[in-house]
Order: sequence, then C-alpha cells, then structure tokens
Amino acid sequence: DAGVTQTPRHEVAEKGQTIILKCEPVSGHNDLFWYRQTKIQGLELLSYFRSKSLMEDGGAFKDRFKAEMLNSSFSTLKIQPTEPKDSAVYLCASSLFQQDTQYFGPGTRLLVL
Amino acid sequence: QQKVQQSPESLTVSEGAMASLNCTFSDGTSDNFRWYRQHSGKGLEVLVSIFSDGEKEEGRFTAHLNRASLHVSLHIREPQPSDSAVYLCAKSNTGYQNFYFGKGTSLTVIP
Repeated sequence: DAGVTQTPRHEVAEKGQTIILKCEPVSGHNDLFWYRQTKIQGLELLSYFRSKSLMEDGGAFKDRFKAEMLNSSFSTLKIQPTEPKDSAVYLCASSLFQQDTQYFGPGTRLLVL
Repeated sequence: QQKVQQSPESLTVSEGAMASLNCTFSDGTSDNFRWYRQHSGKGLEVLVSIFSDGEKEEGRFTAHLNRASLHVSLHIREPQPSDSAVYLCAKSNTGYQNFYFGKGTSLTVIP
C-alpha cells in the first residue's frame, strides 16, 4: 500500500545552493500540497495543485520557492537560492479530491549552512 | 494573526487517563476540521475529521466541534505510551485554498 513518498529524507545544503525535493503522491489522488514545518511557525502552505494545475503558490514564498507537477504522479519543490532560514522539514501531502483528507509523506529535513 | 490556536502546548498524562486537547479558531462558519498526529520524524496521520457541530468518534479518538464558541477539542480515551506525539488541529474552508494548522500540542503518555 504505497502512501506519499518523499526523497531525499535529509538534505544538507550550503547557502546559495539550489536544491530540489521530490514527492510522489498516492496513486489516483488529484490534489497535491507542499508545506514547510518549523517549530516557530508550525505548518505553512507553500503550494497546492489540483489535477496538476497550480491553485496556490504560497504568497510570501514565491520568490525563491517553485513547485512543479510534471505529471500526476510526481512533483518537485525547488528552492533557489537557499538561505539558512529555509532550514525546516518540508512535507508533501495528497488527497483524492477537494475537502478530502490529506495523506502526508514522511518529509524531507533540510539544513542550510 | 494565528487563525488556529492550540492549547496546551504540552501535556503529560498517565497511561489510561483521558487526554484532552483544545483548538480555537478565529472564524469557522464554513470550515471543516481535522485532527492529525505526528510522531517524531514522521509525517502527519489523520485521526478524526469533523464537519458539523457535535461529536465524531474514531476508535479511541473523539472530536467535539462547537462553531458558536469557535472551539474544537480532541479527547483520547485510554491513552498509551505509543500515543506520545504532537497533535495538530487543522481547518480548511470550502474553497480549500486556505488551509491552516495549529502549532500543535506535544502529548507524553507515561506508563
């Protein structure tokens, strides 16, 4: 029973680098979400796709964060250039349709030095 | 301005005693609510979804929603040490583009 998978699980980057995080949603799900999780801010929505169309681009995160959904079974989140304040856990989630429960991946823990 | 606030920040209970967690929100006339659990280093696991006033039970987890008082709670019956985790409350509106999480309550269940 494949849930949401995320790779890598851990990433260490130097300030200014470009990093790409990957997510595979639950097969058949139409909605995909990217979140950032920190102790101070909690969970913050970065991007939201419905049937591969970008519905929400995260407002304040737009300048250095770019999420793409290349096909219905794969999404990437690019951070370019990285800054130390980007250190956080990045979570991907998917749901079958609007208002349905979101299923979360295990997250990618990013450390920017 | 935090749209979803959780209390307490942390809670310790003995195994078998009821655990109660609270969530207040700024407005919720058309919102839906979910409670999630997150074990250390893991993703979020949905526990209970509640869409109308009243009570919703899923196994040992019961959510109570009162829109008039802008409050939703989670009660865990007979908690076990394996229930030690962070519990997150989330609300989403009918448009779904706005999806807000609280910062969580860290629950520790001691044997």
